[in-house]
Amino acid sequence: DQQVKQNSPSLSVQEGRISILNCDYTNSMFDYFLWYKKYPAEGPTFLISISSIKDKNEDGRFTVFLNKSAKHLSLHIVPSQPGDSAVYFCAASRSLGNTGKLIFGQGTTLQVKP
Amino acid sequence: NAGVTQTPKFQVLKTGQSMTLQCAQDMNHEYMSWYRQDPGMGLRLIHYSVGAGITDQGEVPNGYNVSRSTTEDFPLRLLSAAPSQTSVYFCASSYYQGIQETQYFGPGTRLLVL
Repeated sequence: DQQVKQNSPSLSVQEGRISILNCDYTNSMFDYFLWYKKYPAEGPTFLISISSIKDKNEDGRFTVFLNKSAKHLSLHIVPSQPGDSAVYFCAASRSLGNTGKLIFGQGTTLQVKP
Repeated sequence: NAGVTQTPKFQVLKTGQSMTLQCAQDMNHEYMSWYRQDPGMGLRLIHYSVGAGITDQGEVPNGYNVSRSTTEDFPLRLLSAAPSQTSVYFCASSYYQGIQETQYFGPGTRLLVL
């Protein structure tokens, strides 16, 4: 059973526009959520995170929104740049007692066109 | 800091062969994990460790062994390789700060089992 789902395998946006990547989870015990970015032939790199005590976290062009009642989070990239083209993974964890255990979604491939 | 290093980068095995994927980190992180990435499946946790001498199973541990004799190293052993273990393997290390945890990934090992 997939506890973290990214239902859109791919997304294509124009440079300068907003990219919105979505993620849904089923386990209500998750209380910490992360987004990772992955380029081909490289390991994932941490992008931004949010704990369940917040509903929004912003870092420069990247903002993550969390809707706990809907068990949904989204990553907004504004403005999108060609260098943002990569695979984006959302991940979730239970912060207490499960350090090192992240559950990942399937990933969404973002293409930003110049 | 080299961060998280993995060797080899690429390996071809025959069914039934054994091998060890090496992972090392120089950030003095207590927590280390192994993931495999398969198309459409995202990253799935194989094994993880919360400190030297302590390991536990993740989502897909069958066919893999781990040990953690030092803080720095966390090797992953395939005792008898199977074609289903063809995948890209990522090692990660992390630290825990309050409720926030950030995992740092290595560049990956691409494994092909014939």
